[in-house]
Amino acid sequence: DQQVKQNSPSLSVQEGRISILNCDYTNSMFDYFLWYKKYPAEGPTFLISISSIKDKNEDGRFTVFLNKSAKHLSLHIVPSQPGDSAVYFCAASALQGAQKLVFGQGTRLTINP
Amino acid sequence: NAGVTQTPKFQVLKTGQSMTLQCAQDMNHEYMSWYRQDPGMGLRLIHYSVGAGITDQGEVPNGYNVSRSTTEDFPLRLLSAAPSQTSVYFCASRTGTGKNNEQFFGPGTRLTVL
Repeated sequence: DQQVKQNSPSLSVQEGRISILNCDYTNSMFDYFLWYKKYPAEGPTFLISISSIKDKNEDGRFTVFLNKSAKHLSLHIVPSQPGDSAVYFCAASALQGAQKLVFGQGTRLTINP
Repeated sequence: NAGVTQTPKFQVLKTGQSMTLQCAQDMNHEYMSWYRQDPGMGLRLIHYSVGAGITDQGEVPNGYNVSRSTTEDFPLRLLSAAPSQTSVYFCASRTGTGKNNEQFFGPGTRLTVL
């Protein structure tokens, strides 16, 4: 049972445009959400996070939106740059600071020049 | 700081062989974890540790053992390798304090079991 789902395996966006990556979850106990970015042959790196008490968190070109009623979050990248081409993982935990992270399957983002 | 290091980078085993994947961190982090990444399945938690001497099971612990004798090291042992354990393995660590779950990942070990 996949508790965190990223239904788009891949996404292709033109450089300079907005990239929107989506993530859905089923466990209503999740209260903290994170996005990780992964380049080939490297480990994932933390990108941005959001607590369930917020509906938006922004960090430079990256913004994460949380819709608790829909159990949905999204990552917006504006403007998209070629260096953003990577696999993006959504992750969730049931208690802020808890060790058990549940990851989605990942979305491969390709930014075209 | 070297961060989180993992050895080896690549390994090929035969079914039934045993081996240990090494993980070390130099950030004095209390929490350490092992994940495996398989195509179409994201990262799944195998085992984790909240401090030296304390370990617990994650989502997919069967076939793996861990121990945490020091803060720095968290080795993952495959007792009798099976083809289903072919995967990329990531070790991660984070501080026990702080507000978020930001984990720092190592570069991974690609394991093939024949």
